[in-house]
Amino acid sequence: DVKVTQSSRYLVKRTGEKVFLECVQDMDHENMFWYRQDPGLGLRLIYFSYDVKMKEKGDIPEGYSVSREKKERFSLILESASTNQTSMYLCASSFDYVTGELFFGEGSRLTVL
Amino acid sequence: RKEVEQDPGPFNVPEGATVAFNCTYSNSASQSFFWYRQDCRKEPKLLMSVYSSGNEDGRFTAQLNRASQYISLLIRDSKLSDSATYLCVVKQGGATNKLIFGTGTLLAVQP
Repeated sequence: DVKVTQSSRYLVKRTGEKVFLECVQDMDHENMFWYRQDPGLGLRLIYFSYDVKMKEKGDIPEGYSVSREKKERFSLILESASTNQTSMYLCASSFDYVTGELFFGEGSRLTVL
Repeated sequence: RKEVEQDPGPFNVPEGATVAFNCTYSNSASQSFFWYRQDCRKEPKLLMSVYSSGNEDGRFTAQLNRASQYISLLIRDSKLSDSATYLCVVKQGGATNKLIFGTGTLLAVQP
């Protein structure tokens, strides 16, 4: 079974803090993604990566950055957290982006006070 | 107009009922279509792909209508365990090759 593991299920941070969300997958997938999910807005793509050290902006990259130093690990960084970044963050990976099957982690619920 | 729109829900149905969800998409160049299922406080998981000729997987049937730009999901003989949010997902073609997620339709199957 594919396993995508996100480091923290729940985080509470203060405005202006730097936040790291870690994601690790164990199936040697090339592609990895970070989404945020908000009520009424669905899943929105923040960043994705199709290879080590490669990254591409998604639909809402502002206020975020990513790092992919190893194939299995994709990190999302909030340089200076703001209250509008309170959300559920979902990491996903896929072997073949063409097929449309993404394997998601359980999510990290971030609250910024 | 949203790129992918779904029935607002929630759908409250009794066990054994047949229920159908529709989803419309705005980009006629969209290439592939999927239904994902998301249980409460869980991650989304692929339920089934949607093929041009329509496809069935047990009690679930997915259909695609390219002319009208909508896809549908039919669930027969609903079970309590079918209660979840169903996400319509559209893969755009061309250079973007992105997956666009709908906001989801909540199904609650009642005993």
